[in-house]
Amino acid sequence: KAGVTQTPRYLIKTRGQQVTLSCSPISGHRSVSWYQQTPGQGLQFLFEYFSETQRNKGNFPGRFSGRQFSNSRSEMNVSTLELGDSALYLCASSSLTGDTQYFGPGTRLTVL
Amino acid sequence: ELKVEQNPLFLSMQEGKNYTIYCNYSTTSDRLYWYRQDPGKSLESLFVLLSNGAVKQEGRLMASLDTKARLSTLHITAAVHDLSATYFCAVDRYFGNEKLTFGTGTRLTIIP
Repeated sequence: KAGVTQTPRYLIKTRGQQVTLSCSPISGHRSVSWYQQTPGQGLQFLFEYFSETQRNKGNFPGRFSGRQFSNSRSEMNVSTLELGDSALYLCASSSLTGDTQYFGPGTRLTVL
Repeated sequence: ELKVEQNPLFLSMQEGKNYTIYCNYSTTSDRLYWYRQDPGKSLESLFVLLSNGAVKQEGRLMASLDTKARLSTLHITAAVHDLSATYFCAVDRYFGNEKLTFGTGTRLTIIP
């Protein structure tokens, strides 16, 4: 079974721009979660989608948004990028029973 | 608010020695996870602990859970260099809530 895939793997943007990251979950997994990892704040939960609906949201500003498609693929968008948005963005998927979350390789975003 | 604390933050140990990483969490939780992260890489799932007294072992790693004490431990036996990585514990609030709260991580370095 293929694992969680994320594209792109690396991204460089400038302040004020916006960015869209993509995540394809493991086949059959309907829950997709997004996390931000930075050296200062560690791993923080952004949001979780299940069957195209956002079920949970972390404490991030409205510039961070996401969506899920009918095939369970998910995208997250960050508008008006700030320097502090530089991070590794990780996507994780889990099955209906939610036994564990499997993480993708991540997208490393650098904001200049 | 659910808080997860790990200690130690940094651990340097010689090959062949035993050591334990501790993970404390602040509120009742259904599931506790242990993940491993190599530098620049994503998170690899190691263990999922679902009930009080649960113990799981894989190779030189053994994880246990005491829900009454809200404590999980990751024990390393006869450490080898390949175990050098950062180890995270993570907790979710209740079954079906796919929102993980992560500990700060323990950076483990095994010295030959």
